[in-house]
Amino acid sequence: DTAVSQTPKYLVTQMGNDKSIKCEQNLGHDTMYWYKQDSKKFLKIMFSYNNKELIINETVPNRFSPKSPDKAHLNLHINSLELGDSAVYFCASSQGTGGISGNTIYFGEGSWLTVV
Amino acid sequence: RKEVEQDPGPFNVPEGATVAFNCTYSNSASQSFFWYRQDCRKEPKLLMSVYSSGNEDGRFTAQLNRASQYISLLIRDSKLSDSATYLCVVTSGNTPLVFGKGTRLSVIA
Repeated sequence: DTAVSQTPKYLVTQMGNDKSIKCEQNLGHDTMYWYKQDSKKFLKIMFSYNNKELIINETVPNRFSPKSPDKAHLNLHINSLELGDSAVYFCASSQGTGGISGNTIYFGEGSWLTVV
Repeated sequence: RKEVEQDPGPFNVPEGATVAFNCTYSNSASQSFFWYRQDCRKEPKLLMSVYSSGNEDGRFTAQLNRASQYISLLIRDSKLSDSATYLCVVTSGNTPLVFGKGTRLSVIA
């Protein structure tokens, strides 16, 4: 069983569309994250949720809206997609918050979004 | 100055070589340090945590120098399967992980 699974794995869509990426973790972790990795391979956090509560919201356009229906799921909805949104979006989870030694972060396989 | 800086490489080394990567961080309050490995078109995975006293896991050795604010990763007896991007990761306790851009390693037969 995949520990952190996200769908879809590949998504090609036109500018202006609205799309969602879903994420589920079966590790029983309390904290989930969305990271974005752009074409320059820079991996940057977007959001973090702990027990369904938003705890980190980095400077991200408000076209991006995360939703956590329960602590095992964290979905990402993107409105009015732009060319610059093309990237790989990684969902991740950890038992606690932050990166304290012992709180290993586990990543999903990534969702490759291309906006044309 | 970027929060976490790494030499992007690529480092091209023959099998069996020893290779070392350095990473510098700007936040002196940083408390936890890690090396993650990312294969091409895959997700990052934890390689090892970095402890103040330095630590070793098989062919991999990690060191931390708080005074100079850098961490290092040494890989001995490189294998073809070590080819990947190595990400330096830093956090200040309960804050999100900050990733470096990674150093690309290619081990050549």
